[in-house]
Amino acid sequence: DGGITQSPKYLFRKEGQNVTLSCEQNLNHDAMYWYRQDPGQGLRLIYYSQIVNDFQKGDIAEGYSVSREKKESFPLTVTSAQKNPTAFYLCASRGLAPYNEQFFGPGTRLTVL
Amino acid sequence: AQSVTQPDIHITVSEGASLELRCNYSYGATPYLFWYVQSPGQGLQLLLKYFSGDTLVQGIKGFEAEFKRSQSSFNLRKPSVHWSDAAEYFCAVGARTGGSYIPTFGRGTSLIVHP
Repeated sequence: DGGITQSPKYLFRKEGQNVTLSCEQNLNHDAMYWYRQDPGQGLRLIYYSQIVNDFQKGDIAEGYSVSREKKESFPLTVTSAQKNPTAFYLCASRGLAPYNEQFFGPGTRLTVL
Repeated sequence: AQSVTQPDIHITVSEGASLELRCNYSYGATPYLFWYVQSPGQGLQLLLKYFSGDTLVQGIKGFEAEFKRSQSSFNLRKPSVHWSDAAEYFCAVGARTGGSYIPTFGRGTSLIVHP
């Protein structure tokens, strides 16, 4: 079945450590997105990538980094510069025109201790 | 820039009752509109989408939404709610900005279903 996978489901890290969240898709979609979700705040865009080897900052990119070396993969690194990294992280890819709807992964819950 | 407003943070209904979740958007052209549902600790699942054509859109799980251009609204409805519909619901508008496609999400409405 086609879809988006995120791993791990739960992640615990000590303060000051970098951590990388995995996102893989087999939908053959060009565009991929990372969102952060906090209670009562909806989805906030961290980074997005329209095509391989290209990515753009979203609304809250500070303290995060990404890479897009393969079409299928869009990993997100939460660096020690991110002041409040504990959150639920969602990865999405974008379908084809005309609707361009997004397909979401199951999410990763990151807790920084 | 586009925006989405979901005025209700929480909605409580009894099982079997009808449901309407409100969504208002702001966008200069004809928008792409979506409703997603999220169960606790899960990703978002697309319920339905609208771009053009019939303004009453049917989705999965018995949901429908009506696009009203004059009111800039895209409200989600279901005639009879089931306990399993308890979840967070997000309205979204999609638009191209400077060559990039960036959807904008509302803050969500939490649906509570009483037995």
